[in-house]
Amino acid sequence: SSELTQDPAVSVALGQTVRITCQGDSLRSNYASWYQQKPGQAPIFVIYGKNNRPSGIPDRFSGSSSGNTAFLTISGAQAEDEADYYCNSRDSSVNLLGVFGGGTKLTVL
Amino acid sequence: EVQLVQSGAEVKKPGESLKISCKGSGYSFTSYWIAWVRQMPGKGLKWMGIIYPGDSDTRYSPSFQGQVTISADKSISTAYLQWSSLKASDTAMYYCARLNGDGVEYYMDVWGKGTTVTVSS
Repeated sequence: SSELTQDPAVSVALGQTVRITCQGDSLRSNYASWYQQKPGQAPIFVIYGKNNRPSGIPDRFSGSSSGNTAFLTISGAQAEDEADYYCNSRDSSVNLLGVFGGGTKLTVL
Repeated sequence: EVQLVQSGAEVKKPGESLKISCKGSGYSFTSYWIAWVRQMPGKGLKWMGIIYPGDSDTRYSPSFQGQVTISADKSISTAYLQWSSLKASDTAMYYCARLNGDGVEYYMDVWGKGTTVTVSS
């Protein structure tokens, strides 16, 4: 099956912009979706498709991609954005199933 | 309100069987795939498999094929994840989630709160 690779940890100063990356071959032909998970809580999805935000997700969250890499950008990070972030896409080698990245722990300083 | 409600925490011994559930409401349960996702303590998310409640078409990730059984009862809008013989390594949080999108867009837009499974002698 395919793999998605994320940096284990990223930090950002309060109010600054941070970009979280996700790399994998499946991203050449599929969009990534992104999920935020805070300690003790279920994940919630924050970005899907080309760059779509579900209702209730602040517009400081955005998504983009280039080649085999997808990006989640948080413009003006807030303290409440501190969380684990996971990317996900369709697994190009296993029909209809997906694959998650290993997750990125975002610390807001 | 669209939601998935999962069954409560379980504590089991190695070798025991277990079936946990995920009940959908607020939408057409038979029209969306349901995914099961494992999260071991302190670890990331991992796909286990999916089921389409409309016709019970089921697909498993290679790591979980033969290790668990995914099923659904569309008459009560409920999906299930079951084990016939639990191992300590099955200790984890298990989430169900609704799959949305198609083709190149593919995302889990509704999540259950998770079911904690603890397997210990």
